Amino acid sequence: DVKVTQSSRYLVKRTGEKVFLECVQDMDHENMFWYRQDPGLGLRLIYFSYDVKMKEKGDIPEGYSVSREKKERFSLILESASTNQTSMYLCASSLSRFLSNQPQHFGDGTRLSIL
Amino acid sequence: GQQVMQIPQYQHVQEGEDFTTYCNSSTTLSNIQWYKQRPGGHPVFLIQLVKSGEVKKQKRLTFQFGEAKKNSSLHITATQTTDVGTYFCAGHPPKGPFNNDMRFGAGTRLTVKP
Repeated sequence: DVKVTQSSRYLVKRTGEKVFLECVQDMDHENMFWYRQDPGLGLRLIYFSYDVKMKEKGDIPEGYSVSREKKERFSLILESASTNQTSMYLCASSLSRFLSNQPQHFGDGTRLSIL
Repeated sequence: GQQVMQIPQYQHVQEGEDFTTYCNSSTTLSNIQWYKQRPGGHPVFLIQLVKSGEVKKQKRLTFQFGEAKKNSSLHITATQTTDVGTYFCAGHPPKGPFNNDMRFGAGTRLTVKP
């Protein structure tokens, strides 16, 4: 069974801080994704990566960056946290970018509060 | 870009009643996936539909993909308290071979009164 692990379930940070959210998957998946989930807005894609050192912007990349130095790990970085980035952040992975019918496997999420 | 609209946003039913959530895309989809997120949990993949007009069943859940591959629905017959959660649809556009363009609907949050 695929396991996607996010480093923290809950995180509280201050405005202006640099925040790192970590995600690790154990199934050698090529694709990894970062979403934020807000009430009434569903899951919005921030960034995704289909290979080591590769990244693509999603629908709401502003204020975020990502890093994928190893295949199993995908990090989301809030360069200078702001209160409007308070949200639930979900990491997901899927098998391969060359297969169009693969489900995504999600981590448990990180509920981030920016004070 | 591609948008996937999902209605209703909320649905509250009495246990035993039926429930339906609808998903509509502004563009033709190559496939559609459905996920369920229990309260406090993460989205979990339920099923995928690929063919025009396809219908699939999982016990009390019936999934349909429209003939034009622009809409889909999930119908639950005789809801139970275990059905509580948020149901998301997610669609892939039919461009390119890549699996990186899937977009989620906003979800329908189902609550069930015992």
